[in-house]
Amino acid sequence: DTAVSQTPKYLVTQMGNDKSIKCEQNLGHDTMYWYKQDSKKFLKIMFSYNNKELIINETVPNRFSPKSPDKAHLNLHINSLELGDSAVYFCASSQREYDTQYFGPGTRLTVL
Amino acid sequence: AQKVTQAQTEISVVEKEDVTLDCVYETRDTTYYLFWYKQPPSGELVFLIRRNSFDEQNEISGRYSWNFQKSTSSFNFTITASQVVDSAVYFCALSEGSNFGNEKLTFGTGTRLTIIP
Repeated sequence: DTAVSQTPKYLVTQMGNDKSIKCEQNLGHDTMYWYKQDSKKFLKIMFSYNNKELIINETVPNRFSPKSPDKAHLNLHINSLELGDSAVYFCASSQREYDTQYFGPGTRLTVL
Repeated sequence: AQKVTQAQTEISVVEKEDVTLDCVYETRDTTYYLFWYKQPPSGELVFLIRRNSFDEQNEISGRYSWNFQKSTSSFNFTITASQVVDSAVYFCALSEGSNFGNEKLTFGTGTRLTIIP
């Protein structure tokens, strides 16, 4: 049973397009996150949601919009994709804000 | 502001050698949590350990052990009798616990460990 799942695993698209990445967790956790890992493997938080409410928004361009339809799902929509958006995006979840975070398998986004 | 430093960018050791990965952290909070994650070549992030700031006991799990020292703000990770399957990027991370609503994980830059057969 997959605990945190993301779709798609790979996403290749042209500059200027709009795309979405979906995340679902079946752990019953209250908090979900999006992280970005760049080409140098640096991991940085983008957003966190607690029970569908936005908690952290780390100065991410407003082209990125998270949406949480329920506490088991946190999707990431990206408008007007740019070359610099190419990265691996990880979704994670935890029971409470500072509990252990469990990560999804990642989505490798390539913008051409 | 919280910060995690992993000064070792890359380490290579021959199989069966012991290896220690260093992690130094900075925080002004008295309550915080430290983590290690493993990222194998397949790319997923695998949780290894979580430690809170009030528990300085060292931890051992099989060939893995962790040394937490508040006096030097370090949380080092040792692999004993390394194996090829240990080859991965290892991340140390910190979460502050008393800044309610901002308990994000701050990651170090990672240490790429290569075990040579």
